[in-house]
Amino acid sequence: DQQVKQNSPSLSVQEGRISILNCDYTNSMFDYFLWYKKYPAEGPTFLISISSIKDKNEDGRFTVFLNKSAKHLSLHIVPSQPGDSAVYFCAASYTGNQFYFGTGTSLTVIP
Amino acid sequence: DTGVSQDPRHKITKRGQNVTFRCDPISEHNRLYWYRQTLGQGPEFLTYFQNEAQLEKSRLLSDRFSAERPKGSFSTLEIQRTEQGDSAMYLCASSLWAEETQYFGPGTRLLVL
Repeated sequence: DQQVKQNSPSLSVQEGRISILNCDYTNSMFDYFLWYKKYPAEGPTFLISISSIKDKNEDGRFTVFLNKSAKHLSLHIVPSQPGDSAVYFCAASYTGNQFYFGTGTSLTVIP
Repeated sequence: DTGVSQDPRHKITKRGQNVTFRCDPISEHNRLYWYRQTLGQGPEFLTYFQNEAQLEKSRLLSDRFSAERPKGSFSTLEIQRTEQGDSAMYLCASSLWAEETQYFGPGTRLLVL
């Protein structure tokens, strides 16, 4: 019962262009969403989050959009840089206690 | 470094042996979480503590798994009678109560032969 889904296992983008990573969820009770970035042999690193009372949150080159009616969120990275190449996980929570993670999208930014 | 630390980073063991992992959270964080991650999957929740109290356990946490956080600081995760299916990355994360963001450690990679 995968409650958070990332349907694209991989994405390649040219340096300087926009990267769009997508995430869908099934549980309408989720009220907090996060994106994490993971490099090989390291734990996930927090990137950006959004509460369900908002539909957009921006932090530098990273913007997260939330569409509650579609149960969909996306992460935009503009402009993409080679150092952004990593696996990106979205996560969701409705109690603040247990987080549900997607299966990840591997982003490759081509110089 | 004031981040979350985990020890050991790697563990190879034979099936049937017991293993114990340690997690040291960020010092002021009162919540501590354990996750398991297998290849091609995202982290899967195992259990979490608020201070020394274990408040929630996943059904993934069979009776061979036990976690403790005796003084509300570091935590240990023990797996008894390991099985090959236990091979995974075990991740620890911590957060402040009432804050949603969890900060992860580097993980302990377990290989059961």
